Amino acid sequence: QVHLQESGPGLVKPSETLSLTCFVSGVSISDYFWSWIRQPPGKGLEYIGYIHPRGNSLYSPSLKSRVTIAADTSRSQLSLTLRSVTDTDTAVYYCARHEEVPFIRRGFDYWGQGSLATVSS
Amino acid sequence: QSVLTQPPSVSAAPGQKVTISCSGSRSNVGINYVSWFQQLPGTAPKLLIHDNTARPSGIPDRFSASKSGTSATLDISGLQTGDEADYHCGAWDTNLDSYVFGTGTTVTVL
Repeated sequence: QVHLQESGPGLVKPSETLSLTCFVSGVSISDYFWSWIRQPPGKGLEYIGYIHPRGNSLYSPSLKSRVTIAADTSRSQLSLTLRSVTDTDTAVYYCARHEEVPFIRRGFDYWGQGSLATVSS
Repeated sequence: QSVLTQPPSVSAAPGQKVTISCSGSRSNVGINYVSWFQQLPGTAPKLLIHDNTARPSGIPDRFSASKSGTSATLDISGLQTGDEADYHCGAWDTNLDSYVFGTGTTVTVL
């Protein structure tokens, strides 16, 4: 079955770069779109952006200047890079699958368990 | 950061019904499709409703949703203790050209 597994450093210093990976099994990542979504502690969900391994990508306007999402089909992995982090970037980061863009009408049907990234000196 | 507004919490006794609202604008809920997600404590969100009203396979019909204008609603009937969770709505926002989520609602079973 489809399984998503995020991984990351756990702790990042302010002004540095946060890098996260999402390993996907059970399906070819080339056949779907993949989004990153984050959730600050005790708060709601915030959309970060999506990628399709065949080249399509889009980022949330609020994070666009600091974010890069990439896909490595040979490793069945997605990656998220967030530059110049501050404490407001502390959150659980999720990767999630969806079937279409741009309206994502069918929602995010598979999610990873999430990876907590804490920004602190 | 949340563009869609939900009540912070709702509660009811077992077997009763709760209704969660999701208020947006024309550029998101008004013209695009709403999804709902259930997030049990300490876990990742799970897709509950898509295409405004459709339930994925395995989601019981106790969960139902509707949309009217710029607002959407999730109903949970026959409330069970296992329904205690946070519920989030979401939709594409055509003006922002991005997906947006609601503020989230905590359901408590009394």
